[in-house]
Amino acid sequence: DSGVTQTPKHLITATGQRVTLRCSPRSGDLSVYWYQQSLDQGLQFLIQYYNGEERAKGNILERFSAQQFPDLHSELNLSSLELGDSALYFCASSSQADPYNEQFFGPGTRLTVL
Amino acid sequence: SQQGEEDPQALSIQEGENATMNCSYKTSINNLQWYRQNSGRGLVHLILIRSNEREKHSGRLRVTLDTSKKSSSLLITASRAADTASYFCATGYSTLTFGKGTMLLVSP
Repeated sequence: DSGVTQTPKHLITATGQRVTLRCSPRSGDLSVYWYQQSLDQGLQFLIQYYNGEERAKGNILERFSAQQFPDLHSELNLSSLELGDSALYFCASSSQADPYNEQFFGPGTRLTVL
Repeated sequence: SQQGEEDPQALSIQEGENATMNCSYKTSINNLQWYRQNSGRGLVHLILIRSNEREKHSGRLRVTLDTSKKSSSLLITASRAADTASYFCATGYSTLTFGKGTMLLVSP
């Protein structure tokens, strides 16, 4: 158990819909990272927050947004969903802003868009 | 695009044998990390090697780094069925970029 929790575990929805994925980092970790893992794209970094502020951005679509709240939990919002958004979404946390410190991954949310 | 590329894509061995996975990357790095992922689950950090290190050990894991060839290898010695997983290398400066991984199957 990494100490990072993600909800929900599974999410099945239809195209055009909007969903919110939630992540609670390990106690004391200020950095939260979001990743998308799909068969064709592999594991891709989406976005990083550090202590409430956006720190780094990767291959995140404009339809996706994220935020980190004062209690350090984070949410990833996916809107206007398309079939290709079906993937595993992981959240990871680390104690530092530097992404080279060990990142602790949550169990992931499996999103299926029908 | 993927910064790290693992090779082979898949590897099947017997328990007790050694498993070697390779990672090649394109741009300069300040460190390289290896992660393991059990089927459909979150990644687990295995080891980090800095660009000024050539070799690092952790238990049954041995990682080498050759910055002149932009490559790294992960050796798992005396493999066990529980080592069955996908292994990823990760590199980058401002953000981590993962390769597509090597799927390792260790049969009893």
